[in-house]
Amino acid sequence: QQQVKQSPQSLIVQKGGIPIINCAYENTAFDYFPWYQQFPGKGPALLIAIRPDVSEKKEGRFTISFNKSAKQFSLHIMDSQPGDSATYFCAAPHSGTYKYIFGTGTRLKVLA
Amino acid sequence: DTGVSQDPRHKITKRGQNVTFRCDPISEHNRLYWYRQTLGQGPEFLTYFQNEAQLEKSRLLSDRFSAERPKGSFSTLEIQRTEQGDSAMYLCASSPTSGRGKNEQFFGPGTRLTVL
Repeated sequence: QQQVKQSPQSLIVQKGGIPIINCAYENTAFDYFPWYQQFPGKGPALLIAIRPDVSEKKEGRFTISFNKSAKQFSLHIMDSQPGDSATYFCAAPHSGTYKYIFGTGTRLKVLA
Repeated sequence: DTGVSQDPRHKITKRGQNVTFRCDPISEHNRLYWYRQTLGQGPEFLTYFQNEAQLEKSRLLSDRFSAERPKGSFSTLEIQRTEQGDSAMYLCASSPTSGRGKNEQFFGPGTRLTVL
């Protein structure tokens, strides 16, 4: 069973801090790595995604860093705000299909 | 609103009853997915369609579960003889098969099922 391992399980930072969430994958055939943000009672919202032909991608305050040799990718949130408090999931498409395998999630709390 | 929509948003039922959920994908998206999410976990894949064809089903999808996508538009997920273990958030997502957003999955708000 292919897996995506996500850490930490929870994270508390002060406003303006830079939380970092990490994910590790197993299958080298994965070719697309999205991050989703989910608020309580809502569906996951696509935040940012990266393909393995680049090592970093930035969109606003969100950055994905990708390390193909280590089979790891991480999400950095610059200048974090209380409104960023949510659960974040990394995901990867299962090789040979289009379904996603999700990490177990990181619950982020940004203190005002 | 041109996002993925799901109906109902909440469903409370008694054990043994049948329930049906509906998903309307983004109109130009060919692929439609169903996931299940339990508290504190990431979404788990259940099944997906390309147009009207159901191309893959997870082992999580027991014979009490059935999904359809007639005419390749909206989809329904039915659970027969519900059990308390079926209590979860049922998420629908859709994605295009071509273009810049190829394979990006966009999720609906989910249907929260509670089985008493």
